[in-house]
Amino acid sequence: QQKVQQSPESLIVPEGGMASLNCTSSDRNVDYFWWYRQHSGKSPKMLMSIFSNGEKEEGRFTVHLNKASLHTSLHIRDSQPSDSALYLCAASKGNNNRIFFGDGTQLVVKP
Amino acid sequence: EAAVTQSPRNKVTVTGGNVTLSCRQTNSHNYMYWYRQDTGHGLRLIHYSYGAGNLQIGDVPDGYKATRTTQEDFFLLLELASPSQTSLYFCASSDDNQDTQYFGPGTRLLVL
Repeated sequence: QQKVQQSPESLIVPEGGMASLNCTSSDRNVDYFWWYRQHSGKSPKMLMSIFSNGEKEEGRFTVHLNKASLHTSLHIRDSQPSDSALYLCAASKGNNNRIFFGDGTQLVVKP
Repeated sequence: EAAVTQSPRNKVTVTGGNVTLSCRQTNSHNYMYWYRQDTGHGLRLIHYSYGAGNLQIGDVPDGYKATRTTQEDFFLLLELASPSQTSLYFCASSDDNQDTQYFGPGTRLLVL
């Protein structure tokens, strides 16, 4: 049973545009969320994490978390072709347990 | 940055063959994981370990065994490989807080 659902499966945005990716957990026990980025032919690397309700910003990347709805979103402003990658959402209960990955959103930023 | 290495990087075997995938981390992390990645499925956890001699079952363990011989080394064993096990395999490690998982470069396995 998939605990983490991501949408959309794929997304195409123009260079300079805003990309918005969504992630929801079906397990009410999870409360820690991560976003990983995986460029083609490479391994996943942690991009951002969020454990509290609200928003977290790092450069062009902003993550939101709503714990009541178990929903997190990743927003990339001023998208660049180098942002083209598979974005994986992950969740866990607390930060001392195994994490569950979603199937990912494939982002393509067109020049 | 944390270092995780995997070998071999590519492997071809035949149905029924015996395959061992190796992973080493030099980060002094206690947690190590084996995932497989297939198109449309993201990362699926096969086995994981909290330390030497410890093994935990993941979500897709059938057909796989694992051994954690030291804190640094974690092995994935396919004793009777099947074409359904053709996949990209990633090893990862994390500290006790499991805040961030650090992934190796991956092993691409083809079972003919």
